[in-house]
Amino acid sequence: QLQLQESGPGLVKPSQTLSLTCTVSGGSISISDYYWGWIRQPPGKGLEWIGGIHYTGRSIYNPSLMSRVAFSVDTSRNQFSLNLNSVTAADTAIYYCAGYITSSGWFDPWGQGTLVTVSS
Amino acid sequence: DIQMTQSPSSVCASVGDRVTITCRASQGISTVLVWYQVKSGRAPKLLISAASTLHTGVPSRFSGSGSGTDFTLTISSLQPEDFATYYCQQAYSFPVTFGQGTRLEIK
Repeated sequence: QLQLQESGPGLVKPSQTLSLTCTVSGGSISISDYYWGWIRQPPGKGLEWIGGIHYTGRSIYNPSLMSRVAFSVDTSRNQFSLNLNSVTAADTAIYYCAGYITSSGWFDPWGQGTLVTVSS
Repeated sequence: DIQMTQSPSSVCASVGDRVTITCRASQGISTVLVWYQVKSGRAPKLLISAASTLHTGVPSRFSGSGSGTDFTLTISSLQPEDFATYYCQQAYSFPVTFGQGTRLEIK
C-alpha cells in the first residue's frame, strides 16, 4: 500500500523559498489517475489545497497561491516536490503531501505532515 | 471558489454518544463530498467519499449523507479513538476546498 513521507527544513526565513519533498513508497509514483498534491494547515486554521503534479509533469494550482508555487516530480526517485517562494509568516503551517485521485476527487493516502515555520 | 462551512466548530461528547457534524456548500456540489479524520502528528484518514460511501476499513459506526449543498457525518457510538478533528472537502470544481474543521473533544 502506498505511503507518503514529507521532508525538508522546519524553519525558513521571510522572503526566502520553502522547499519540501514527498517520497512515495509501497508503489510507483507513475499512476495515471493520480495527481501528487500538497495541502497545508496554518496554526488554528483549516486545510488549504495548494495544488499538485502528475507524474508526466502536468500541474494544477490553487489560484490563490499559483504565482508563488512550483511543483516538480522525479519518477526515478519516486518523489515530488513543492517550492513556495517569497514566504511570509502567513505561510507558517503544517504541510501535507497526498495523492489526489482525479476520477474520484479525494485525497488518499496522505503523509503525516511537516511543520514549517517562517521566521527570522 | 466553493466555500464549505462546517458546524459546529467544536463539540464535546462522551464515549458511546451519537454525534452529527454538518457541512454546507456555498453552491450545489451533487454528492462530490469527502470526509476526513485528522489527528495531530498522524496522516489524515479518508473516511467517506461521494457523500455516503464508507472507505475501506472504516468502522460502520461512521456514516455520511446529503446531496446538493447540505451534508452530514454521523458517528453512531463514539469510541475513544474517534476524538479528532473532522473535515469535509468538495471536489466538484477547482480549486478543491475544505471546511474549517470540527474538533471532537472528550467530555
